[in-house]
Amino acid sequence: NAGVMQNPRHLVRRRGQEARLRCSPMKGHSHVYWYRQLPEEGLKFMVYLQKENIIDESGMPKERFSAEFPKEGPSILRIQQVVRGDSAAYFCASSPGDILPGNIQYFGAGTRLSVL
Amino acid sequence: KNEVEQSPQNLTAQEGEFITINCSYSVGISALHWLQQHPGGGIVSLFMLSSGKKKHGRLIATINIQEKHSSLHITASHPRDSAVYICGPGGAQKLVFGQGTRLTINP
Repeated sequence: NAGVMQNPRHLVRRRGQEARLRCSPMKGHSHVYWYRQLPEEGLKFMVYLQKENIIDESGMPKERFSAEFPKEGPSILRIQQVVRGDSAAYFCASSPGDILPGNIQYFGAGTRLSVL
Repeated sequence: KNEVEQSPQNLTAQEGEFITINCSYSVGISALHWLQQHPGGGIVSLFMLSSGKKKHGRLIATINIQEKHSSLHITASHPRDSAVYICGPGGAQKLVFGQGTRLTINP
C-alpha cells in the first residue's frame, strides 16, 4: 500500500508563473489536507477536501490559490502568478475520515516550491 | 496567545536520556497528532490520541483533555531521534500546529 505521493518534490518557478502541486492520497483514503510550511515557521493548515468537495478552505490565501480533488486523479493545489513569498514546503496529508480517534493523517514527502 | 504552545522550543540531551516534550492548547479538539519532522524535511505521524496514553516502541504520548495538555516522552533517547517534534490538536476538520520542538540527541 503506497503512501501519500506528492509530486514534484522540488519545483522552481519564476515570479508570475503558475505552480501546480499534485497529491495522490493513500489507497482507500478519501480525505485530503494541504498544509504550508514557510521557511523557519510552523505548519499551517490551508484546505481540507473530500472527493469533488472543498470542506474547509479557511487557511487558503484569498487570491491566486485554489485546490481541487476530482473524482478521478490526484488532488491539485494551484498557485497562480507566484510571488517570492509563496516559496515554502507544501505538504499533503490523507486520512480515511474526519479528525476522529483512529483517523490518523499520513503525510506526503512535500513539494518544495522556490520562486525566483 | 498562540492556540498551541510547545515547550521547550529547543532541547539538547545526551544519548540515553529520558525526553519530555510538552504541548498545551486552547482549541477544542477531537484528537491530537504528534508528528516528527526529520532534518531532511519529511513528516511522519507518530501518534493520534484523544484520551489516556499510547505507546509505540520507545515513544509514549499522553493527553489530559480536561487540562488541554499533551506530552511526548522518549525513553533511552538515541541520536536518530534528533528531529523536530510537532504537536497538532484538531477539531472536526483541521489541525492546528505548534511551532515544534527541535530535539538534538548527542552521542
